[in-house]
Amino acid sequence: SQQGEEDPQALSIQEGENATMNCSYKTSINNLQWYRQNSGRGLVHLILIRSNEREKHSGRLRVTLDTSKKSSSLLITASRAADTASYFCATDAPPSGYALNFGKGTSLLVTP
Amino acid sequence: DAGVIQSPRHEVTEMGQEVTLRCKPISGHNSLFWYRQTMMRGLELLIYFNNNVPIDDSGMPEDRFSAKMPNASFSTLKIQPSEPRDSAVYFCASSLSGTSGSLYEQYFGPGTRLTVT
Repeated sequence: SQQGEEDPQALSIQEGENATMNCSYKTSINNLQWYRQNSGRGLVHLILIRSNEREKHSGRLRVTLDTSKKSSSLLITASRAADTASYFCATDAPPSGYALNFGKGTSLLVTP
Repeated sequence: DAGVIQSPRHEVTEMGQEVTLRCKPISGHNSLFWYRQTMMRGLELLIYFNNNVPIDDSGMPEDRFSAKMPNASFSTLKIQPSEPRDSAVYFCASSLSGTSGSLYEQYFGPGTRLTVT
């Protein structure tokens, strides 16, 4: 079942601009992860943020988590054409936490 | 490490035929997941294994689908008989999970694009 829901569904920006994608979910979580999928390829893990964390950085990526609002955001700063891809949030939920529930993704297009 | 390996990368078959998809997880990972991705339904979890044992197969759409993990380095997803609506990209992913669940990221294979005509 899908829990995460990304917004917007599609985003088009120019190189150098920042891209912000949002994810909302419905039930309590252990952690939330963001993945990237280039066209025709498998998903690649970007960053994991635990439920007791509020913000995390990795290179040009910044992820925030607001458990009271059940939402997360992914910010890509100084975007590049190579960032063009679909971005998915995924949540795992108690009690087992084994499985990940993926949203339908945000399709990001970065034009030179 | 070679990452998660899936075969075949592409499969075209006729309706009614048996299809077997294969996956080799990353060595040392103890959890394995099979997903299906379509434009309409997005990424759906079909089944996952922990330490070679199926934990939850509630995502398997019908009895036509079956999955096995005979050892820690190999898993198969079988569709018999196949139908056109099974056309999708099937991904295998592996992960190192702690005792309290999926504490770590999942590593995805390149996927198998299945077309059933």
